[in-house]
Amino acid sequence: TAGITQAPTSQILAAGRSMTLRCTQDMRHNAMYWYRQDLGLGLRLIHYSNTAGTTGKGEVPDGYSVSRANTDDFPLTLASAVPSQTSVYFCASSVGTSGEQFFGPGTRLTVL
Amino acid sequence: KNQVEQSPQSLIILEGKNCTLQCNYTVSPFSNLRWYKQDTGRGPVSLTIMTFSENTKSNGRYTATLDADTKQSSLHITASQLSDSASYICVVSAPGNNRLAFGKGNQVVVIP
Repeated sequence: TAGITQAPTSQILAAGRSMTLRCTQDMRHNAMYWYRQDLGLGLRLIHYSNTAGTTGKGEVPDGYSVSRANTDDFPLTLASAVPSQTSVYFCASSVGTSGEQFFGPGTRLTVL
Repeated sequence: KNQVEQSPQSLIILEGKNCTLQCNYTVSPFSNLRWYKQDTGRGPVSLTIMTFSENTKSNGRYTATLDADTKQSSLHITASQLSDSASYICVVSAPGNNRLAFGKGNQVVVIP
């Protein structure tokens, strides 16, 4: 079982370009999440989805969008990247809204 | 103010020694508290979970304690190994709420 996977592993992106970070889980978890992790700030929630077809805003949603067309996939899109979006992005999933969250390996994004 | 505060921010310990990490939280009401281990370049992995009624939980050489009255938790690492070098993150959740409160982590470095 793969669990939760993210792609790409890392990316360098020019400011103003768009990018989609991919996240797929094969655990049939209902809830999925996107976090960013920055040095000295810890993990911060960007967007979440409690079930397929629904999404919600987290603590730092500006500049990001998500979709949840099915249970397994939860892509995160940066429409026009800015240098402040340089970070490590983690996708996570959980069975229900209060269960343990399982994290993917992360995507390291650098915006120049 | 962050709802979860961890201390010390970082520490270096000799292989074979014990150490204790602290977590203070203000989340209320409280559902559960988890300690996650995050190896460098990897996603966080859950070590322990404790609910309101539990005051201790072990996972191998890791022992977590919880005092829900004082809103404090600790993670004790016994007989540390080089593989214990990681960031340890305290995560607190409220009932029926999948939006977690994350601490910034305790960075532990074990040296031979």
